[in-house]
Amino acid sequence: DAKTTQPNSMESNEEEPVHLPCNHSTISGTDYIHWYRQLPSQGPEYVIHGLTSNVNNRMASLAIAEDRKSSTLILHRATLRDAAVYYCILRRETSYDKVIFGPGTSLSVIP
Amino acid sequence: EAQVTQNPRYLITVTGKKLTVTCSQNMNHEYMSWYRQDPGLGLRQIYYSMNVEVTDKGDVPEGYKVSRKEKRNFPLILESPSPNQTSLYFCASAVLSGPYEQYFGPGTRLTVT
Repeated sequence: DAKTTQPNSMESNEEEPVHLPCNHSTISGTDYIHWYRQLPSQGPEYVIHGLTSNVNNRMASLAIAEDRKSSTLILHRATLRDAAVYYCILRRETSYDKVIFGPGTSLSVIP
Repeated sequence: EAQVTQNPRYLITVTGKKLTVTCSQNMNHEYMSWYRQDPGLGLRQIYYSMNVEVTDKGDVPEGYKVSRKEKRNFPLILESPSPNQTSLYFCASAVLSGPYEQYFGPGTRLTVT
């Protein structure tokens, strides 16, 4: 499976937008980009996913580079509840094989 | 309420004493998986199952067994636990089509002394 790399940590001020980057330079054409987040003392939860086009949902937006070698998770207005570890992973549509989570990005939100 | 449940939530045991951590989901999901989480290493997949009686190794299967006799249950078995299996364990489930989002359980914190 293709790997992803993310910064270890980021900080944001409350109510400001946050852009969380993810590099996946070895992504294949059938790999979907998924984002999960893990709040303190909880299991991970799904945030968003996409293939080629930018995606929006109630939690966040996903911006995917034209060459698909990187993507950015956008939280439009960070709240204290968004402080979590964010994971970017790749999944193939037709294969449900091994899943590889990296260490993720630990986001701190400053009041 | 759609959920993944794990039991026990906390367990302290001794080296070599067989244990089972149960995982159950009520969403009729085909796919289920076990992960362990250790500081600085993120989530690592232990085993996964794409349906009843179908299981496969993840990245770190050594020292673990699983079984999938029913669709809703996916127990994790440690036949002879060792201290290096002290970790936080998560079970997850998902459908095999659509957005493939995984639903995770609340976690089981295991300490092996």
